[in-house]
Amino acid sequence: SQQGEEDPQALSIQEGENATMNCSYKTSINNLQWYRQNSGRGLVHLILIRSNEREKHSGRLRVTLDTSKKSSSLLITASRAADTASYFCATDAEDYKLSFGAGTTVTVRA
Amino acid sequence: DAGVIQSPRHEVTEMGQEVTLRCKPISGHNSLFWYRQTMMRGLELLIYFNNNVPIDDSGMPEDRFSAKMPNASFSTLKIQPSEPRDSAVYFCASSTGGTDTQYFGPGTRLTVL
Repeated sequence: SQQGEEDPQALSIQEGENATMNCSYKTSINNLQWYRQNSGRGLVHLILIRSNEREKHSGRLRVTLDTSKKSSSLLITASRAADTASYFCATDAEDYKLSFGAGTTVTVRA
Repeated sequence: DAGVIQSPRHEVTEMGQEVTLRCKPISGHNSLFWYRQTMMRGLELLIYFNNNVPIDDSGMPEDRFSAKMPNASFSTLKIQPSEPRDSAVYFCASSTGGTDTQYFGPGTRLTVL
């Protein structure tokens, strides 16, 4: 079963707006990662946040982590058409492998 | 760096045929993963290698699937015989450790008719 579950499943926004998606997980983690997948391509790593961090930024991306609620959020600010993709969270629920969620599909309308 | 290389990018075959997918991980990475992605089941981990040794193959669907990693720079995933339900995109990923950042290849889109 999947450790991480993204919410919402799909999101449609206007170019320039912000997009927020959430990830909930079940067991304790050491780190949580977010990946992006453009249509027809492999997943690309975006950002990693460790369990002792609460917030992390990378360009237009902002990730938060609340270990007490076992949840994380990914915020994309000032969205662009190129941000249209599926976004996955991944947790290190087990020692040697990542567990990926089902993903949030983001569509940015011009 | 060329990144993770997979071949072929597309494969169309008929039911019952043998299919071999190939992967070259990033040089220096000691962990290699094979995933399968479908609309119905999402991204599934099939098998994980560490230092060329299979560590976890619990995700391999059945005996028709086999994977090898004869050296640090090459891995194969074989399906024999193939069935229509094997149609999916198969990804190879590599990393410097099991839970470290994974680098995915472009995937092989397999269609079994």
